[in-house]
Amino acid sequence: GQNIDQPTEMTATEGAIVQINCTYQTSGFNGLFWYQQHAGEAPTFLSYNVLDGLEEKGRFSSFLSRSKGYSYLLLKELQMKDSASYLCAVRDSNYQLIWGAGTKLIIKP
Amino acid sequence: NAGVTQTPKFQVLKTGQSMTLQCAQDMNHEYMSWYRQDPGMGLRLIHYSVGAGITDQGEVPNGYNVSRSTTEDFPLRLLSAAPSQTSVYFCASSYGTSGSGANVLTFGAGSRLTVL
Repeated sequence: GQNIDQPTEMTATEGAIVQINCTYQTSGFNGLFWYQQHAGEAPTFLSYNVLDGLEEKGRFSSFLSRSKGYSYLLLKELQMKDSASYLCAVRDSNYQLIWGAGTKLIIKP
Repeated sequence: NAGVTQTPKFQVLKTGQSMTLQCAQDMNHEYMSWYRQDPGMGLRLIHYSVGAGITDQGEVPNGYNVSRSTTEDFPLRLLSAAPSQTSVYFCASSYGTSGSGANVLTFGAGSRLTVL
Protein backbone atom coordinates (compact mmCIF):
# COMPACT_ATOMS: atom_id res chain seq x y z
CA GLY A 1 0.00 0.00 0.00
CA GLN A 2 0.92 3.64 -0.23
CA ASN A 3 1.96 5.43 2.93
CA ILE A 4 3.13 8.85 4.05
CA ASP A 5 4.51 9.21 7.59
CA GLN A 6 5.08 12.42 9.48
CA PRO A 7 5.12 13.22 13.20
CA THR A 8 1.74 14.06 14.66
CA GLU A 9 2.84 17.07 16.67
CA MET A 10 5.97 19.14 17.31
CA THR A 11 6.71 22.05 19.62
CA ALA A 12 9.31 24.76 19.04
CA THR A 13 10.27 28.14 20.40
CA GLU A 14 9.80 31.48 18.68
CA GLY A 15 12.97 32.47 16.82
CA ALA A 16 14.31 28.91 16.69
CA ILE A 17 14.62 26.41 13.83
CA VAL A 18 12.46 23.31 13.39
CA GLN A 19 12.68 20.39 10.97
CA ILE A 20 9.55 18.42 10.05
CA ASN A 21 10.26 15.04 8.51
CA CYS A 22 8.23 13.09 5.99
CA THR A 23 8.89 9.54 4.80
CA TYR A 24 6.96 7.93 2.01
CA GLN A 25 6.31 4.65 0.27
CA THR A 26 4.32 5.14 -2.91
CA SER A 27 3.69 3.55 -6.28
CA GLY A 28 6.02 5.73 -8.28
CA PHE A 29 7.08 9.29 -7.65
CA ASN A 30 6.26 12.46 -9.54
CA GLY A 31 7.01 15.11 -6.99
CA LEU A 32 6.60 15.94 -3.31
CA PHE A 33 4.65 18.87 -1.92
CA TRP A 34 4.45 20.68 1.39
CA TYR A 35 1.33 22.60 2.31
CA GLN A 36 0.58 24.75 5.35
CA GLN A 37 -2.83 24.65 6.98
CA HIS A 38 -3.84 27.03 9.76
CA ALA A 39 -6.59 25.78 12.04
CA GLY A 40 -10.00 26.06 10.42
CA GLU A 41 -8.55 27.18 7.10
CA ALA A 42 -7.66 25.67 3.73
CA PRO A 43 -4.22 24.23 2.94
CA THR A 44 -1.91 26.59 1.06
CA PHE A 45 1.11 25.60 -1.03
CA LEU A 46 4.59 25.97 0.46
CA SER A 47 7.04 24.02 -1.66
CA TYR A 48 7.58 21.43 -4.39
CA ASN A 49 10.50 19.04 -4.85
CA VAL A 50 10.92 16.67 -7.77
CA LEU A 51 14.73 16.34 -7.83
CA ASP A 52 17.04 15.47 -4.94
CA GLY A 53 18.36 18.36 -2.94
CA LEU A 54 17.35 21.48 -1.11
CA GLU A 55 14.88 24.09 -2.29
CA GLU A 56 15.04 27.35 -0.36
CA LYS A 57 12.28 29.91 -0.24
CA GLY A 58 12.83 32.62 2.33
CA ARG A 59 12.55 31.24 5.87
CA PHE A 60 11.32 27.89 4.55
CA SER A 61 13.41 25.18 2.88
CA SER A 62 12.47 21.71 1.70
CA PHE A 63 14.79 18.79 1.10
CA LEU A 64 14.23 15.60 -0.89
CA SER A 65 16.05 12.27 -1.12
CA ARG A 66 14.23 10.01 -3.57
CA SER A 67 16.48 7.02 -2.88
CA LYS A 68 15.56 7.17 0.82
CA GLY A 69 11.91 8.09 0.33
CA TYR A 70 12.49 11.06 2.62
CA SER A 71 11.83 14.76 2.77
CA TYR A 72 11.98 17.45 5.39
CA LEU A 73 10.64 20.96 5.74
CA LEU A 74 12.94 23.35 7.57
CA LEU A 75 11.49 26.46 9.13
CA LYS A 76 13.93 29.13 10.35
CA GLU A 77 13.42 32.17 12.59
CA LEU A 78 10.11 30.80 13.78
CA GLN A 79 7.27 33.24 14.25
CA MET A 80 4.03 32.75 16.16
CA LYS A 81 2.14 32.84 12.86
CA ASP A 82 3.98 29.64 11.84
CA SER A 83 1.78 27.72 14.29
CA ALA A 84 -0.13 25.49 11.88
CA SER A 85 -0.30 21.99 10.49
CA TYR A 86 2.17 21.06 7.78
CA LEU A 87 1.01 18.52 5.22
CA CYS A 88 3.34 16.36 3.14
CA ALA A 89 1.95 14.94 -0.12
CA VAL A 90 3.50 12.76 -2.83
CA ARG A 91 2.29 12.55 -6.42
CA ASP A 92 2.36 8.92 -7.47
CA SER A 93 2.80 7.23 -10.85
CA ASN A 94 -0.86 7.96 -11.72
CA TYR A 95 -0.31 11.63 -10.87
CA GLN A 96 -2.60 11.33 -7.87
CA LEU A 97 -1.63 12.98 -4.59
CA ILE A 98 -1.14 10.81 -1.51
CA TRP A 99 -1.36 12.87 1.66
CA GLY A 100 0.18 12.46 5.07
CA ALA A 101 -1.95 13.14 8.15
CA GLY A 102 -0.05 16.35 8.83
CA THR A 103 2.23 17.63 11.57
CA LYS A 104 0.77 20.12 14.01
CA LEU A 105 3.47 22.65 14.89
CA ILE A 106 3.07 24.57 18.14
CA ILE A 107 5.23 27.67 18.60
CA LYS A 108 5.86 28.87 22.14
CA PRO A 109 7.06 32.37 23.03
CA ASN B 1 -9.97 36.76 -8.82
CA ALA B 2 -12.07 34.90 -6.27
CA GLY B 3 -10.07 31.66 -6.64
CA VAL B 4 -12.04 28.61 -5.46
CA THR B 5 -15.42 29.35 -3.88
CA GLN B 6 -17.22 26.74 -1.80
CA THR B 7 -20.70 26.90 -0.34
CA PRO B 8 -22.04 26.37 2.24
CA LYS B 9 -19.37 26.79 4.92
CA PHE B 10 -21.40 24.89 7.51
CA GLN B 11 -24.24 22.41 7.17
CA VAL B 12 -26.09 20.09 9.52
CA LEU B 13 -28.03 17.21 8.00
CA LYS B 14 -30.13 14.37 9.32
CA THR B 15 -29.33 10.82 8.32
CA GLY B 16 -30.88 10.05 4.94
CA GLN B 17 -31.10 13.63 3.72
CA SER B 18 -29.40 14.67 0.50
CA MET B 19 -27.55 17.85 -0.31
CA THR B 20 -25.11 19.43 -2.74
CA LEU B 21 -21.85 21.17 -1.90
CA GLN B 22 -21.09 23.81 -4.49
CA CYS B 23 -17.63 24.56 -5.87
CA ALA B 24 -16.69 27.18 -8.46
CA GLN B 25 -13.32 28.43 -9.69
CA ASP B 26 -12.51 31.38 -11.91
CA MET B 27 -8.91 30.49 -12.80
CA ASN B 28 -9.74 28.42 -15.91
CA HIS B 29 -8.31 25.34 -14.21
CA GLU B 30 -8.86 22.05 -16.01
CA TYR B 31 -8.44 19.86 -12.94
CA MET B 32 -10.92 19.97 -10.06
CA SER B 33 -11.28 17.65 -7.10
CA TRP B 34 -13.11 17.02 -3.85
CA TYR B 35 -11.36 15.90 -0.67
CA ARG B 36 -12.55 15.09 2.79
CA GLN B 37 -10.42 15.77 5.84
CA ASP B 38 -10.92 13.82 9.06
CA PRO B 39 -8.94 14.07 12.32
CA GLY B 40 -5.76 12.01 12.32
CA MET B 41 -5.99 11.21 8.62
CA GLY B 42 -4.58 12.68 5.48
CA LEU B 43 -6.76 14.36 2.91
CA ARG B 44 -8.68 11.69 1.02
CA LEU B 45 -9.75 12.14 -2.58
CA ILE B 46 -13.46 11.58 -3.23
CA HIS B 47 -13.89 12.42 -6.92
CA TYR B 48 -11.97 14.40 -9.47
CA SER B 49 -12.31 15.82 -12.97
CA VAL B 50 -9.68 16.56 -15.61
CA GLY B 51 -12.03 18.68 -17.72
CA ALA B 52 -15.63 19.49 -18.52
CA GLY B 53 -17.66 16.33 -19.07
CA ILE B 54 -15.02 14.06 -17.49
CA THR B 55 -15.18 12.76 -13.93
CA ASP B 56 -13.54 9.87 -12.11
CA GLN B 57 -13.55 8.24 -8.70
CA GLY B 58 -10.93 8.82 -6.08
CA GLU B 59 -10.10 6.85 -2.96
CA VAL B 60 -13.44 7.20 -1.14
CA PRO B 61 -16.24 7.76 -3.71
CA ASN B 62 -19.08 5.75 -2.14
CA GLY B 63 -22.10 7.85 -1.19
CA TYR B 64 -21.07 10.79 -3.35
CA ASN B 65 -21.80 11.89 -6.91
CA VAL B 66 -20.21 14.61 -9.03
CA SER B 67 -20.73 16.20 -12.42
CA ARG B 68 -18.69 18.69 -14.48
CA SER B 69 -20.91 20.41 -17.02
CA THR B 70 -18.68 23.52 -17.20
CA THR B 71 -14.99 24.24 -16.59
CA GLU B 72 -15.89 26.48 -13.67
CA ASP B 73 -18.26 24.33 -11.58
CA PHE B 74 -17.83 21.00 -9.82
CA PRO B 75 -20.65 20.23 -7.37
CA LEU B 76 -20.50 17.31 -4.93
CA ARG B 77 -23.78 15.55 -4.12
CA LEU B 78 -24.42 13.50 -1.02
CA LEU B 79 -27.13 11.06 -2.01
CA SER B 80 -28.32 9.83 1.41
CA ALA B 81 -26.26 11.32 4.23
CA ALA B 82 -24.78 9.05 6.89
CA PRO B 83 -23.00 9.94 10.15
CA SER B 84 -19.77 8.56 8.62
CA GLN B 85 -19.90 11.46 6.16
CA THR B 86 -19.43 13.98 8.95
CA SER B 87 -16.24 15.71 7.87
CA VAL B 88 -14.67 18.84 6.44
CA TYR B 89 -14.86 18.90 2.67
CA PHE B 90 -12.43 20.77 0.45
CA CYS B 91 -12.72 21.52 -3.22
CA ALA B 92 -9.37 22.06 -4.96
CA SER B 93 -8.31 22.91 -8.49
CA SER B 94 -5.15 23.17 -10.59
CA TYR B 95 -4.11 23.75 -14.19
CA GLY B 96 -3.49 20.04 -14.62
CA THR B 97 -1.93 17.05 -12.92
CA SER B 98 0.57 15.52 -15.28
CA GLY B 99 3.86 16.72 -16.69
CA SER B 100 6.91 18.02 -14.92
CA GLY B 101 5.32 21.11 -13.46
CA ALA B 102 4.15 21.47 -9.91
CA ASN B 103 0.47 21.91 -10.84
CA VAL B 104 -0.18 23.33 -7.41
CA LEU B 105 -3.62 22.83 -5.93
CA THR B 106 -5.67 25.86 -4.92
CA PHE B 107 -8.15 24.98 -2.19
CA GLY B 108 -11.52 26.41 -1.32
CA ALA B 109 -12.19 27.53 2.25
CA GLY B 110 -13.87 24.24 3.17
CA SER B 111 -17.35 23.06 4.09
CA ARG B 112 -17.92 21.59 7.54
CA LEU B 113 -20.68 18.98 7.37
CA THR B 114 -22.31 17.31 10.36
CA VAL B 115 -24.68 14.38 9.87
CA LEU B 116 -26.86 13.53 12.86
